[in-house]
Amino acid sequence: KNEVEQSPQNLTAQEGEFITINCSYSVGISALHWLQQHPGGGIVSLFMLSSGKKKHGRLIATINIQEKHSSLHITASHPRDSAVYICAVIGNQFYFGTGTSLTVIP
Amino acid sequence: DAEITQSPRHKITETGRQVTLACHQTWNHNNMFWYRQDLGHGLRLIHYSYGVQDTNKGEVSDGYSVSRSNTEDLPLTLESAASSQTSVYFCASSDRTSGHNEQFFGPGTRLTVL
Repeated sequence: KNEVEQSPQNLTAQEGEFITINCSYSVGISALHWLQQHPGGGIVSLFMLSSGKKKHGRLIATINIQEKHSSLHITASHPRDSAVYICAVIGNQFYFGTGTSLTVIP
Repeated sequence: DAEITQSPRHKITETGRQVTLACHQTWNHNNMFWYRQDLGHGLRLIHYSYGVQDTNKGEVSDGYSVSRSNTEDLPLTLESAASSQTSVYFCASSDRTSGHNEQFFGPGTRLTVL
């Protein structure tokens, strides 16, 4: 069983496009975490949110607790955004999605 | 600057050997975690600790052990390495007192068990 589902699994976009990555979860949570993993393997935290919306530069994360759904948006995508984006939720334990692999083509 | 480091970054070992992966953080975080990452599975929690002398099993703890003797370190030991434990291992830490539980990840250790 997968407590966290991400879609799409793979995404290719042209530079400048608006990108949306979705995360749905089936457990009660206290917070949701969006992570970015670059081809070199390093994982960095993008957002931690428990309600509403957060924005950092060209990245926007939203969460709807009632619908158990979160989205990560990237505006004006750039090749350097190419990475795997991972959704993780914090309930009574940690659950991770399998990631969305994004490739942005110049 | 505060950081979280892992060593070694790459390790090749043989089946049956004991292996210890080091994780050291200078954030002074209470919480530390070990994950493994495999294709098709995403990150899976192996063990975690909420403070000195505290350790807890995660989703995939069989064959692994940890100990927490100080705030900075959480070494992960594979008691008798198996080929199924070939993976990339990530250590992470978070500050429970902040209430946010945002995790900071180490660079990872790629372990190959032959």
